[in-house]
Amino acid sequence: GDSVTQMEGPVTLSEEAFLTINCTYTATGYPSLFWYVQYPGEGLQLLLKATKADDKGSNKGFEATYRKETTSFHLEKGSVQVSDSAVYFCALSDINTGNQFYFGTGTSLTVIP
Amino acid sequence: DAGITQSPRHKVTETGTPVTLRCHQTENHRYMYWYRQDPGHGLRLIHYSYGVKDTDKGEVSDGYSVSRSKTEDFLLTLESATSSQTSVYFCAISGGGPYEQYFGPGTRLTVT
Repeated sequence: GDSVTQMEGPVTLSEEAFLTINCTYTATGYPSLFWYVQYPGEGLQLLLKATKADDKGSNKGFEATYRKETTSFHLEKGSVQVSDSAVYFCALSDINTGNQFYFGTGTSLTVIP
Repeated sequence: DAGITQSPRHKVTETGTPVTLRCHQTENHRYMYWYRQDPGHGLRLIHYSYGVKDTDKGEVSDGYSVSRSKTEDFLLTLESATSSQTSVYFCAISGGGPYEQYFGPGTRLTVT
């Protein structure tokens, strides 16, 4: 069945450091891929998405590229800020499974000044 | 922001009592979902709906039931609450296809 695996945290970085959070997926069809961010006490917010192979999603300095050959969708940011501290979830949706979404377990990021 | 509200936002209840959580949307989206979020487990799908009166089970549906009598409302009922159902519950909506899900603010439920 479909699934998402993302790197475990927690991740702690200094401000202005480079961020990578790894995400790989398993899907039977051609899924859409997403990164969500969750700040403390809030619901998940869409950060970026990609709907087909080689698409690059980007938002707020974050980027991720849909790599079909490696079944990956790694999240990157060149220079993190304290305000980026949050939990990040990788997810996929697959119309072959009735539009269900599959989420990774989340990666907690803390950025220290 | 997508128009999704959840009620109540916080609830404390006793073991064995029934509890109903409500999700309301103003986006006219076809798909609605209920998740629970617990430390170490990420988000787990409880039930989802793909139209009025059309629902299906998710990964952790035991002890939960849902109903959708109108496009805008999706109710989650814990028929007899247990301490293992203490969690944060999120509702989400989607237009289907390649479209993203939008999440509500969550309901924190404590079963004592």
